[in-house]
Amino acid sequence: ETGVTQSPTHLIKTRGQQVTLRCSSQSGHNTVSWYQQALGQGPQFIFQYYREEENGRGNFPPRFSGLQFPNYSSELNVNALELDDSALYLCASSLAKGDIQYFGAGTRLSVL
Amino acid sequence: DQQVKQNSPSLSVQEGRISILNCDYTNSMFDYFLWYKKYPAEGPTFLISISSIKDKNEDGRFTVFLNKSAKHLSLHIVPSQPGDSAVYFCAASDTGTASKLTFGTGTRLQVTL
Repeated sequence: ETGVTQSPTHLIKTRGQQVTLRCSSQSGHNTVSWYQQALGQGPQFIFQYYREEENGRGNFPPRFSGLQFPNYSSELNVNALELDDSALYLCASSLAKGDIQYFGAGTRLSVL
Repeated sequence: DQQVKQNSPSLSVQEGRISILNCDYTNSMFDYFLWYKKYPAEGPTFLISISSIKDKNEDGRFTVFLNKSAKHLSLHIVPSQPGDSAVYFCAASDTGTASKLTFGTGTRLQVTL
């Protein structure tokens, strides 16, 4: 059984650009959540997808958007990148809504 | 507004002794609590959880205690081992919303020989 995998592991972008981060859920998991972890902070909830529908969103602007595909993999898109978007982006999958969330290793995004 | 707080950024414990990590929360809607462990360059790994209907949950060397009236939980590791050295995050959720986890800022545990 494969765990949660994220790609790429590292990414460097410049301010104003757009970025897409990808996540493959653990086998059998239909729920995916995305978190942003800034340096020295705990992960902050961005949004969750359940069976391809958004199921909750944190306090992030609309330039953070997401998708979940029929195979339950997911994408996080960030438009008009700002310097403060530099962080570790974590994806977590769970068997269903409200179940324990299992995390991938994250994508480290640097915005210059 | 920090709804989940871990007031100790770091903790150092000798191998074989007990490690106690603390967490406080302010949101009374939280009814499910989890501890995650994070090694460098890895994602958080689920450790143990507790529902608000219980006040204690054990799994091997790890025990979580919940004091609802004080809005406080703690993670006990006995005995501590060098491999336990990591950053520990406390997280909470409101199962009614069944979505987000709210995390604390983490406590870095170092277990020394």
